[in-house]
Amino acid sequence: QQQVKQSPQSLIVQKGGISIINCAYENTAFDYFPWYQQFPGKGPALLIAIRPDVSEKKEGRFTISFNKSAKQFSLHIMDSQPGDSATYFCAASIVGGGADGLTFGKGTHLIIQP
Amino acid sequence: DAGITQSPRHKVTETGTPVTLRCHQTENHRYMYWYRQDPGHGLRLIHYSYGVKDTDKGEVSDGYSVSRSKTEDFLLTLESATSSQTSVYFCAISDLSGTPGDEQFFGPGTRLTVL
Repeated sequence: QQQVKQSPQSLIVQKGGISIINCAYENTAFDYFPWYQQFPGKGPALLIAIRPDVSEKKEGRFTISFNKSAKQFSLHIMDSQPGDSATYFCAASIVGGGADGLTFGKGTHLIIQP
Repeated sequence: DAGITQSPRHKVTETGTPVTLRCHQTENHRYMYWYRQDPGHGLRLIHYSYGVKDTDKGEVSDGYSVSRSKTEDFLLTLESATSSQTSVYFCAISDLSGTPGDEQFFGPGTRLTVL
C-alpha cells in the first residue's frame, strides 16, 4: 500500500526551464511534507519542507505548492540548472506521530540538459 | 552527512552467508533507521529504533534483523543473504523533536551485492 504517489518517474528539462514534480497522499493525518534531493553515490538530503497551514513555500529557486483539499503537493524548480540533476523524493509524516517517521514517494530522476 | 558513517561502503558476498552492516552516529539522536533503495521502489523502511534496545519492523523487514546496544550504533544483519537483498542500504537518524518536523539525516549508503 503506497501512501505517497510521486510522478513522473523521470523528467528531462532544458536549462533555464521549470521542473515540476508532483506527489499525492492518502492519509489526511499527514502534516509534514518534505522534499529530499539525492545526488549519485550520496544519501538523500532535505531540500525544502512545508506544513499544511500554508499553501506555498519558497526557498531560492525551489518552491513547494500544497493543495490540502486535493491532497497533493508539488515541487517547482525555477530556472533549472544542470547542477539540479538528481533524484528527488517527496515524503510525508505526522509530526510527533511515531518513530517510524517518513513515508517516501518512489522518486523522480531529473535531468537538466545544458 | 550529519555525523553519520556507514561501514562497509561496498560489499560483495555470496548467497547464504551472513552479512552485518553498521551505522554509527555522533549526533546523539534518539531515532535511527535502516532503508533499502532499489530502482522503481524508492526508499523502503526495513527496521527502525527509538532507543537503545528498542527496535521495530518497517515495511520490508523479512530476512533482516537489527540491534542497538548503544545510542550511536545501529546494526543491520542479513542472517542468510539472498540475491533479492542486493541493494543500496541507507542509515538515517532523527531527533523527532517535532520542530521543524521529522527531518531525517541520511548516511552515505552501503552498496551490497549478493551473488
